[in-house]
Amino acid sequence: DAGITQSPRHKVTETGTPVTLRCHQTENHRYMYWYRQDPGHGLRLIHYSYGVKDTDKGEVSDGYSVSRSKTEDFLLTLESATSSQTSVYFCAISARQVDNEQFFGPGTRLTVL
Amino acid sequence: RKEVEQDPGPFNVPEGATVAFNCTYSNSASQSFFWYRQDCRKEPKLLMSVYSSGNEDGRFTAQLNRASQYISLLIRDSKLSDSATYLCVVIGGMSLPPKLNYGGSQGNLIFGKGTKLSVKP
Repeated sequence: DAGITQSPRHKVTETGTPVTLRCHQTENHRYMYWYRQDPGHGLRLIHYSYGVKDTDKGEVSDGYSVSRSKTEDFLLTLESATSSQTSVYFCAISARQVDNEQFFGPGTRLTVL
Repeated sequence: RKEVEQDPGPFNVPEGATVAFNCTYSNSASQSFFWYRQDCRKEPKLLMSVYSSGNEDGRFTAQLNRASQYISLLIRDSKLSDSATYLCVVIGGMSLPPKLNYGGSQGNLIFGKGTKLSVKP
């Protein structure tokens, strides 16, 4: 299995609080991605990174920000969590661009009350 | 028409059965196609890529039909362990900024919502 970890694995928080999710990889892959998965929607791309300090928005980026200060870490921040951000969040990595296999982390279950 | 569509199922089949899933896509310029498998409450994992000529991996066969814009996954001799949700993935829907296109394929990676398979004893 690819070396990807996510923390925390589960989190319950209240509306309006900031939340940061961490993705850590040991594969030295260039590309990293944050997805959310919701019933009826499948996986949707939030933000992605194509190198240290190089990030850009995906399909559903509103309300989220990211940072990548090191190759191995990609952080997803919800500045002020809302109930609509209750979801399962997956981090993924790939060595090349999107047409290369993506390896997924185990996911973080976030509940915003 | 949605960009990537799959029958959500569930497909309930007995062990040993042959089952097939289709996935349709709307963008005729789509270039790359994959099948991922996702077990309940787990992360998706790549099952196989789908090549223009079709490809086979043991009991699994993937086909691409560009004229009709669909890909298929055939599972022969189903096992209990095949029970999972199968996600179709297509490269080449709504384009993201050029940074994601660097060095290769254009467009982003779009996941279908998945087809649930349940193999019964």
